[in-house]
Amino acid sequence: GIQVEQSPPDLILQEGANSTLRCNFSDSVNNLQWFHQNPWGQLINLFYIPSGTKQNGRLSATTVATERYSLLYISSSQTTDSGVYFCAVEHEGGSEKLVFGKGTKLTVNP
Amino acid sequence: GAGVSQSPSNKVTEKGKDVELRCDPISGHTALYWYRQSLGQGLEFLIYFQGNSAPDKSGLPSDRFSAERTGGSVSTLTIQRTQQEDSAVYLCASRGSGRNTGELFFGEGSRLTVL
Repeated sequence: GIQVEQSPPDLILQEGANSTLRCNFSDSVNNLQWFHQNPWGQLINLFYIPSGTKQNGRLSATTVATERYSLLYISSSQTTDSGVYFCAVEHEGGSEKLVFGKGTKLTVNP
Repeated sequence: GAGVSQSPSNKVTEKGKDVELRCDPISGHTALYWYRQSLGQGLEFLIYFQGNSAPDKSGLPSDRFSAERTGGSVSTLTIQRTQQEDSAVYLCASRGSGRNTGELFFGEGSRLTVL
């Protein structure tokens, strides 16, 4: 099946810093989503981005499908950005399920 | 409903008992998914439904696990003879039908603790 690798596994920032999270995948995809899992366990949709670039406030994401990676940018980080960020993909030609990476755990300190 | 609804939110059971977890998807969503997340881990796919049929149930860990969906809406995940390793958060998600139909939306999960 398709492999999804996220880096870095852990990231600690001071409030106000910028960061880039990466998601590599091993084959062509139909769908790619970024989620934020907050400390209470809720999965929050950030981006549906199988290709291209999108922005939402301080967050933006870029997927280069031909090179099999996606990037999530967080600017001017806030303590509320803390949590785990997951990338998930749907394998083109495979089952219609999302395969998740192991996540990046982000801690933003005040 | 407005979002994916799961019940119970928390369940504590004794080893060997059966449990049922319920998921009510977003109205009109034909695809429904079950995932499991153990403490500190990523999300593990269990099964998905398109309507009432399950094209992919490859993630069910053993024959103690089963799921059904009736009326193209509510789904129930049943775990028989629970074991301590079944302790996890069980997450349900839904989306529209077919490929490239957009985002998967998750419920808040059912936390299962097996003593």
